[in-house]
Amino acid sequence: NAGVTQTPKFQVLKTGQSMTLQCAQDMNHNSMYWYRQDPGMGLRLIYYSASEGTTDKGEVPNGYNVSRLNKREFSLRLESAAPSQTSVYFCASSPSQRGVAGYEQYFGPGTRLTVT
Amino acid sequence: KQEVTQIPAALSVPEGENLVLNCSFTDSAIYNLQWFRQDPGKGLTSLLLIQSSQREQTSGRLNASLDKSSGRSTLYIAASQPGDSATYLCAVIGSGNQFYFGTGTSLTVIP
Repeated sequence: NAGVTQTPKFQVLKTGQSMTLQCAQDMNHNSMYWYRQDPGMGLRLIYYSASEGTTDKGEVPNGYNVSRLNKREFSLRLESAAPSQTSVYFCASSPSQRGVAGYEQYFGPGTRLTVT
Repeated sequence: KQEVTQIPAALSVPEGENLVLNCSFTDSAIYNLQWFRQDPGKGLTSLLLIQSSQREQTSGRLNASLDKSSGRSTLYIAASQPGDSATYLCAVIGSGNQFYFGTGTSLTVIP
């Protein structure tokens, strides 16, 4: 049972380049999340998907887009990378359903992104 | 907007000591509170989940309590070990299916 997996583990981009971070979970969870973690700022929610086919903005969505490809996969795209997007990105999933909050959140190992 | 605060930001204790980490939140309308551990360069590992109807949860040497009315949770670690050294984060979830995280407490247990 792999849990939550993320690819790639590390990435270096130049300003203006684009890339997609991939996330997959094999726990049949309904909800999936993308966070970024910066020193002194804690974890901040970028986007989340409460269920397949739905996505919602979190606290810091600007400069990002997401796709909930199916129940297993949730990708995060940077269309034109900026140095301010240098961060560690975590994907998470939870069994929670829309209207029924709760349950645990499970995290992937993270992607370390540097934008020069 | 929910604000989650963790105090202290860093803590250093000798091995064997019992310790308490604190988490406070501004909006008491939460469904769950979850404590995580994060090792340097790694992801988050879930330690304990407390439902809003519960007062505490225990797992081994860890005990987490929740007081919704005062907006506080504590994580008690008994008989600390060097392997407990890590950053501990708390997160709350309320309506809207969003989790809000504190900035963490960095714990060092000195052998």
